Amino acid sequence: AQTVTQSQPEMSVQEAETVTLSCTYDTSENNYYLFWYKQPPSRQMILVIRQEAYKQQNATENRFSVNFQKAAKSFSLKISDSQLGDTAMYFCAFMKPDLTGANSKLTFGKGITLSVRP
Amino acid sequence: EPEVTQTPSHQVTQMGQEVILRCVPISNHLYFYWYRQILGQKVEFLVSFYNNEISEKSEIFDDQFSVERPDGSNFTLKIRSTKLEDSAMYFCAARGGKAYEQYFGPGTRLTVT
Repeated sequence: AQTVTQSQPEMSVQEAETVTLSCTYDTSENNYYLFWYKQPPSRQMILVIRQEAYKQQNATENRFSVNFQKAAKSFSLKISDSQLGDTAMYFCAFMKPDLTGANSKLTFGKGITLSVRP
Repeated sequence: EPEVTQTPSHQVTQMGQEVILRCVPISNHLYFYWYRQILGQKVEFLVSFYNNEISEKSEIFDDQFSVERPDGSNFTLKIRSTKLEDSAMYFCAARGGKAYEQYFGPGTRLTVT
């Protein structure tokens, strides 16, 4: 079974600065996907970014980028130019696609609470 | 991206009562999921649903739970006899055929008293 570990329960960053959220995972699979989801106080789960394990290039989405280290099984999220609206819980998630695509459940870490200070 | 919607946003029920949580996925999505999040804890997988049948379920998804997509549109989660420990946020998620991103609904907060 896959496990996802987010060891930092909370972090704080000054507005406009950069912050990195850590995530490690454990799997014996070679082909998988990794995701970061954001959960603001409304508790809606919002997809932030996705990384395919077969891609060496790190994914980027505007101010969000990842540092994917497959050998180390590490998947950190970097938020540049932090904004007040980035205040939320952030969850790292793992998915192993099966052959049919039907059993592609997400396995989540415990999450990290990020606070952006004005 | 069109939205996944869920109703109700908040449901309060007494222990032992049946509840049905509803989800309207995006029209061209094929794979459907239910997850739950007990307050302050991580999001946990309950069940996945494809081609009108359950494709995978977790240990949490016992005989008290069932899912169906009765009219090809709504995707429902039924809890037959609720327990206090069923109090949680329940999220529906959906995805299309080729992409692996799952898009979540806004959740239903279930409170069992």
